[in-house]
Amino acid sequence: RKEVEQDPGPFNVPEGATVAFNCTYSNSASQSFFWYRQDCRKEPKLLMSVYSSGNEDGRFTAQLNRASQYISLLIRDSKLSDSATYLCVVGGYSGAGSYQLTFGKGTKLSVIP
Amino acid sequence: EAQVTQNPRYLITVTGKKLTVTCSQNMNHEYMSWYRQDPGLGLRQIYYSMNVEVTDKGDVPEGYKVSRKEKRNFPLILESPSPNQTSLYFCASSLSPDSTNYGYTFGSGTRLTVV
Repeated sequence: RKEVEQDPGPFNVPEGATVAFNCTYSNSASQSFFWYRQDCRKEPKLLMSVYSSGNEDGRFTAQLNRASQYISLLIRDSKLSDSATYLCVVGGYSGAGSYQLTFGKGTKLSVIP
Repeated sequence: EAQVTQNPRYLITVTGKKLTVTCSQNMNHEYMSWYRQDPGLGLRQIYYSMNVEVTDKGDVPEGYKVSRKEKRNFPLILESPSPNQTSLYFCASSLSPDSTNYGYTFGSGTRLTVV
């Protein structure tokens, strides 16, 4: 069974702090990796795709370690507006040949004034 | 505006009364999918569709039906809802299932309560 594991948190951090989320996945054949953000009672929204070379978007940096099957998200200079649940998402083909996204249960972040 | 539209946003119904949750996208996406989200379980795929008239089961299809007669619409049908189908439902679409650059676009969700 494909699994994506995340620390559920909550992470309570002060404004301006740097916070890191980690995620592990069990399917070594996984092909695509994402971080989604979900605000309370709202739909998930793509935050960033994660590439093997690592990628950065402003205050957000995502890294992928295929050998360890590990994905990370680093948020620098946290803002109050960063408060949300962050979903680690992994995509790949199942044994039946269909492509599927597997979602982690999410890590809740609260940024405190 | 590019979007996925779900209706209704909230629905309370009684056990056994057939209902349909609609989903429509205006991005000409081929791939569409339904998920349910429950506390402590994360998002789980119910059904997906690769294109018109092509649908398949996800991880939790029992008690649900779907159809894809047009590219833009992908309704979720509960023929005889039961209380264990009380959940938050999301429809999503994408150019292709393995779209690595753009991910999936989700609808705003439908909160269903079955009493």
